[in-house]
Amino acid sequence: DSGVTQTPKHLITATGQRVTLRCSPRSGDLSVYWYQQSLDQGLQFLIQYYNGEERAKGNILERFSAQQFPDLHSELNLSSLELGDSALYFCASSVEAGGWDNEQFFGPGTRLTVL
Amino acid sequence: AQKITQTQPGMFVQEKEAVTLDCTYDTSDQSYGLFWYKQPSSGEMIFLIYQGSYDEQNATEGRYSLNFQKARKSANLVISASQLGDSAMYFCAMSPGQDYGGSQGNLIFGKGTKLSVKP
Repeated sequence: DSGVTQTPKHLITATGQRVTLRCSPRSGDLSVYWYQQSLDQGLQFLIQYYNGEERAKGNILERFSAQQFPDLHSELNLSSLELGDSALYFCASSVEAGGWDNEQFFGPGTRLTVL
Repeated sequence: AQKITQTQPGMFVQEKEAVTLDCTYDTSDQSYGLFWYKQPSSGEMIFLIYQGSYDEQNATEGRYSLNFQKARKSANLVISASQLGDSAMYFCAMSPGQDYGGSQGNLIFGKGTKLSVKP
C-alpha cells in the first residue's frame, strides 16, 4: 500500500458526460501528479500540482481540468467524454516539486470506461 | 527531449532463473533519476528500484538490481531467481533533473515490457 488513495476504483459512463476523479496523497506529500494510461498512448503525464498551485502541464486536453485543495487532495475533472478517454487514470504523490531523486508513489488508479 | 526506450515488448523466463529487462534513455541533463515500476494485472504501479545519475554503485533491492551504464545511457533491471508472481508489466521511467525546467517532477515512462514467468 503506497499510502495514496484514489476513488472511485471503477467508473463507467456515457459519451458526452462529465466525471470527477479524486486523489488523496500520502501524508506529508505536497505534490500530486495525474497520469493517463491507455493501450495506444502508454503512460502519459497530464498535470502536476504542488501545494495547491499548478506546477506543470503535460498532454492534458482542454476538456480536462484539475485542482488541488487546501487539504492537498486533488480532483481531476473530465468533461464531454469521448470513447478515446477510456483509460486507467493514476494519481501519484511526492514530497518535493521536482528534482532528480523525486520518488513518486502511485495510487491504485481509477479505471474509466466511456460507452 | 527526454525519452525512455524499452525494446522488449514481451519476455519469457523460467521460474528460478534470472532475467534482464532492457532500458535506454536519452537526456542532456547532468542530473537525473531512473526508476523501475512493476504493474501486475491488477493494475497498480509498484515502485521497485531507483538509481541516481551520480550514484557510482548499482542500486539493489532484494532480488532486483539495476545495471546502470551511464556512458551507454542504459539502466537495465535484473531480476534474480524469478518467481511466478513476477509476471507483470515492467516500466522504466526517468525523472528530469533540476536543470530541466527546474520546477516540474513528472516521470517520463517507457512503453513497458511484459514479463511472463514459466513454471
